[in-house]
Order: sequence, then structure tokens, then C-alpha cells
Amino acid sequence: DQQVKQNSPSLSVQEGRISILNCDYTNSMFDYFLWYKKYPAEGPTFLISISSIKDKNEDGRFTVFLNKSAKHLSLHIVPSQPGDSAVYFCAASEGRAQGGSEKLVFGKGTKLTVNP
Amino acid sequence: DTGVSQNPRHKITKRGQNVTFRCDPISEHNRLYWYRQTLGQGPEFLTYFQNEAQLEKSRLLSDRFSAERPKGSFSTLEIQRTEQGDSAMYLCASSPRASYQETQYFGPGTRLLVL
Repeated sequence: DQQVKQNSPSLSVQEGRISILNCDYTNSMFDYFLWYKKYPAEGPTFLISISSIKDKNEDGRFTVFLNKSAKHLSLHIVPSQPGDSAVYFCAASEGRAQGGSEKLVFGKGTKLTVNP
Repeated sequence: DTGVSQNPRHKITKRGQNVTFRCDPISEHNRLYWYRQTLGQGPEFLTYFQNEAQLEKSRLLSDRFSAERPKGSFSTLEIQRTEQGDSAMYLCASSPRASYQETQYFGPGTRLLVL
């Protein structure tokens, strides 16, 4: 049973436009959500995170939105740049306040291609 | 470079051989995690340490796998009697404190190929 789902395996956008990557989760005990970017043959690089007590977090060109009632989060990249081309992973954890171990549960990833 | 480091970066071995990977976390990070990633999948949790204590192990971690963090600094992951299904990227991550909602920072991974 996949607790974190990224239903779009790939996404292609033009440089300068907005990229929207989506993620759904099923475990209501998740209280911390993260996005990682991964290039081939490298480890995941942390991008941005959001706690379940918030509905939005912004860092430069990256904004993450959380809709707890829908168990849905999204990552917006504005404006998109060719260097953003990578695989993006959504991850979630149950915090220690919830009795969890904080291990991350990942989606399968979305491959983003930003065309010049 | 003060990030998480992993060695070796690549390992090719024959089925049945033992392999050991090393992870050096970011200095003063007391939590260390091991994950495994196979093609087309996201990373999957294997085990984690708080200081030298191994606090949780996934069902993915069969009895052929063992992990240690003897002095609460670096960690090793050993796979005994490797099988072709062990071929994967093995990722290590660390996080700063034993408080909740800490971000995990990943190393570059060790890619294992079992022939």
C-alpha cells in the first residue's frame, strides 16, 4: 500500500512558466512533508518542507502548498529554469510528537523537464 | 565539504559475496538513516540510529543485512551473501537533533550491482 503517491511520472514545461508537481498521501498521521530534487547518480537534495500546522511555505522560486483535508500537497516552481530539470520526490514523516520515528516515506517521483 | 559522504560510490560484486558500505554524516548530526532506492521507485527506509542506538529496522532489512554505528559517528551497512535483488542505490541521510520535524540530508549514495 503506497502511502505517498505522485501520480504524474513526468512533466514538461517551458522555461519561464510555472511548474506544478502534485503529491497525495493516505496516512493521516503524517505531519511533516518535504520535497527533494534528484539528479541521476546523485543523492536527493532537500528543497523545501512544510509542517502540517501550515498551509503554505515559500522559499525563493519554490512554494509548497498543503491541503490537509484533501491529503494533498503541491510544489510550485516559478519561474521554471532549465537547471530545474530533475526528478522531484515528495516525502512525508510521522513526527516524534505523533510517536513516529521520523523515517521518510517517499513517492515514486516526477521527472520534470524544463525546455529552453 | 561538510555534507554527508558515502563510500564507495560504486560497487560491483558477485552473487554470494559480502559487501560493506560506509556513511559519514554531517558533523554533530545525531540521527543517521539508511534507505534503498531501486529503479523507478522512491527511496525506501531501511533503518536508523540515534547516536549509537539502532532504533528501528524495516522489514526490508533481512537477516543478511546488518548496520552499525559504533561510536555514534560514522555508520556501516553490511550485506552478507549478496543476491541479484540487492542491486540498488543505498542512500544514507542524517539529521541534526533528536527533536521532531528535522530535515534529513542525503549523501550521494552507493550504487551496488550484484552479478
